[in-house]
Amino acid sequence: DTGVSQDPRHKITKRGQNVTFRCDPISEHNRLYWYRQTLGQGPEFLTYFQNEAQLEKSRLLSDRFSAERPKGSFSTLEIQRTEQGDSAMYLCASSFYGQFSTDTQYFGPGTRLTVL
Amino acid sequence: GQQVMQIPQYQHVQEGEDFTTYCNSSTTLSNIQWYKQRPGGHPVFLIQLVKSGEVKKQKRLTFQFGEAKKNSSLHITATQTTDVGTYFCAGRPGGSQGNLIFGKGTKLSVKP
Repeated sequence: DTGVSQDPRHKITKRGQNVTFRCDPISEHNRLYWYRQTLGQGPEFLTYFQNEAQLEKSRLLSDRFSAERPKGSFSTLEIQRTEQGDSAMYLCASSFYGQFSTDTQYFGPGTRLTVL
Repeated sequence: GQQVMQIPQYQHVQEGEDFTTYCNSSTTLSNIQWYKQRPGGHPVFLIQLVKSGEVKKQKRLTFQFGEAKKNSSLHITATQTTDVGTYFCAGRPGGSQGNLIFGKGTKLSVKP
């Protein structure tokens, strides 16, 4: 399978714990996006990378959220000191962005976080 | 802030009836994309519209982008049970090369 993969698929944690999610994009894609989706809502943009550069991070929900893409391939999203309000589906998407591309985003299956 | 509004929130139709969802942005968009999310699944790209007044068709689906590049619609002719899911529009604000702003989606249910 050469699609976007995310790990883990489900995470249950206690309030106050730190969690880290991983996303592996489609190999030839240079862009990687993180979204959060809650029930009944559309995906909410958090941040994105082009290669290893994080080009937009002002939408990260608080300073407890951080993301990295150290080698321009896989990415991690970390949430420190989790709160119950962080419970949501965290989606990763990747795309190829170029002069003549449509920048179509391909989504992974998501990581469902439950904070108790 | 920039918003993308989508209506209706829910639509229940009898199989064979038509369905339309509408998307409206508070600001001019450089392009708009449409996604479908099946229950329990993740968003899947359907199409991108870039030009003012653009109309694209995919079998029974017709997508339109408004002249002012602030609104869009998706119309499905003669719905089938396989059309069930939530349809999202996602706009890229003019001048932006990055983030998409998603609408809240229209959840379509089709009664056989």
